[in-house]
Amino acid sequence: RKEVEQDPGPFNVPEGATVAFNCTYSNSASQSFFWYRQDCRKEPKLLMSVYSSGNEDGRFTAQLNRASQYISLLIRDSKLSDSATYLCVGYSGAGSYQLTFGKGTKLSVIP
Amino acid sequence: ETGVTQSPTHLIKTRGQQVTLRCSSQSGHNTVSWYQQALGQGPQFIFQYYREEENGRGNFPPRFSGLQFPNYSSELNVNALELDDSALYLCASSPTPSRIGNTEAFFGQGTRLTVV
Repeated sequence: RKEVEQDPGPFNVPEGATVAFNCTYSNSASQSFFWYRQDCRKEPKLLMSVYSSGNEDGRFTAQLNRASQYISLLIRDSKLSDSATYLCVGYSGAGSYQLTFGKGTKLSVIP
Repeated sequence: ETGVTQSPTHLIKTRGQQVTLRCSSQSGHNTVSWYQQALGQGPQFIFQYYREEENGRGNFPPRFSGLQFPNYSSELNVNALELDDSALYLCASSPTPSRIGNTEAFFGQGTRLTVV
């Protein structure tokens, strides 16, 4: 079983829609979690960190549930420019300074 | 635009050959991490270099090796190339090993390697 698993996608949604991505992780030692965005044939870029208390950045809301080992990303009022692949990422910290990526979920926002 | 640059951007090699990929880290960053991203997959950690020493390695065979130079730039070398080595190779630069997953860490644009 992969350490970080995501919805397979792809997600095709109309402009203005709300879309939710889910992710589960198996390594309870993972300390921190992130959502990255990757545009086609480009490098991944940090979208936001994920906290147990939940955090919001404009139209984006991320949530971490450690008991269920579950991470979510909600995008409200989708824009055409949100079309990208969204990667769920775990980080274990000390002793293992590596990011563990999920396979990613592709989002296409349609006019 | 980040200060992390990779070269070359694209490369085609023949099975069995050797390849060297390069990464210039952002100014002030002493840590470089390398990732392999196969088509349709998320990036997979290869190894990390901190102050010229390997500081962690993922599940990759020994034919994947690296170097970090005094200016903190880095190289990834792959020997005896296989078809499955075809992928996007990404390097990530961070101020310290532990700060790989925050707003101070950046990925380069990647090198797309095709093995035929």
